[in-house]
Parts: sequence; C-alpha cells; structure tokens
Amino acid sequence: GQQVMQIPQYQHVQEGEDFTTYCNSSTTLSNIQWYKQRPGGHPVFLIQLVKSGEVKKQKRLTFQFGEAKKNSSLHITATQTTDVGTYFCAGPGGSQGNLIFGKGTKLSVKP
Amino acid sequence: DAGVTQSPTHLIKTRGQQVTLRCSPKSGHDTVSWYQQALGQGPQFIFQYYEEEERQRGNFPDRFSGHQFPNYSSELNVNALLLGDSALYLCASSLGAGVFSNQPQHFGDGTRLSIL
Repeated sequence: GQQVMQIPQYQHVQEGEDFTTYCNSSTTLSNIQWYKQRPGGHPVFLIQLVKSGEVKKQKRLTFQFGEAKKNSSLHITATQTTDVGTYFCAGPGGSQGNLIFGKGTKLSVKP
Repeated sequence: DAGVTQSPTHLIKTRGQQVTLRCSPKSGHDTVSWYQQALGQGPQFIFQYYEEEERQRGNFPDRFSGHQFPNYSSELNVNALLLGDSALYLCASSLGAGVFSNQPQHFGDGTRLSIL
C-alpha cells in the first residue's frame, strides 16, 4: 500500500541551528500537508502544498513540494525552543482517499 | 469559537471490555474523522463520517465502529478491547467530505486509552 516516509526520526539541535525534515511518498501526491505536535498535545495543521515545485514560507519555516510531487521538506531557520515537537507530513491515500501520516520527525532544541 | 472537543481525556479499561469515545467538531465543520496514534507513531486513519454515514475507512477491524449525529458530533466504539488498542485516539473535523483528502484536519486533544 501507499507509504509516507519521513527522515530523520529524531533531530537534536542547539538553539539557533537550522533543522530540516524530509518526506517521501511511494506514489505521486495531489497535495501534502504538514502538522506539528507539541509534547502531550495534538497535531496542529501548519500548511498545505498543492503545486509541483511549490515553496511556501511561514516566518522561519520554509516548506517545499518536489517537482514530481512525491517528496517534500520542511526547513526551520535558526531554531528556537518553541519549535520543539514532532513534525508530520501527511498525504492523501489511494483509492480510500484517507490521509496518510508519516511517522514524524521529533525535534528537540537545546537552549 | 470552540475547537474540536473530545471526552473523556483519559480512560482505563481491561481486555475484552467495550469503550465509547466522543467528539464534537469545530463550529461550522460537518465531517469527523477518527485516528489512532500509538506512542512514537503518526496518526493512523480509522474512519470518517459525513452526513451521518461512514464514508471512508482505514485498515481497522470491525471491532471499531462509529456514529455521527445530526449535530455533527461523533462517537467511536471499540469492542472486545485488546492490549494493542492502547493508544491516543484523535478526532479531527473538517468541512466537506467530498474533497476530504484536501481539507486540513483540525484535531482535538484526544482520548488516552489504556488497556490493562
């Protein structure tokens, strides 16, 4: 079945360093969504990418959707302690149309 | 503007028992989806309800069933609980099931279910 894979699984950075998580799908996606889940919290929608090669920015966060619409990345510039959490990418499933989440990248930031 | 609310927050059950979890969607939303999130994993889609009918279903056994009420709130029922059912159960709401996979999901805080 369709899979959405994320790397790395964990990332430990010093505050101020950059962070990138990568998402790869086994199939072409019509769109990809990114969510952030703080420790003990619930996933919160960050952004949706739809177009091939699309790049969107939210302050220090930069989201990219690959040309082939099978991969995506999230880059955080100059991490802060408030960035701590697990970042998930999610794409629509196949015939079922459900949303398939990756396993997430857990980011920890050392002050 | 109330977001997605779920109850109860925590629940402890024993193997073989049955459980019902509840969800009220964000104001203005008509579609409710349920997810199971095991520790250290991403949410896994269970099923989606729209217009009081199950519209989509993930790879979960028939022990998992649900319901949606006319006010769009929803219940998740799990029968014959197994140890492996221990997880965080998340409810998410959105608008318009016809383009479900394109709609951002608004999640509730979840119900932490522990099976002893």
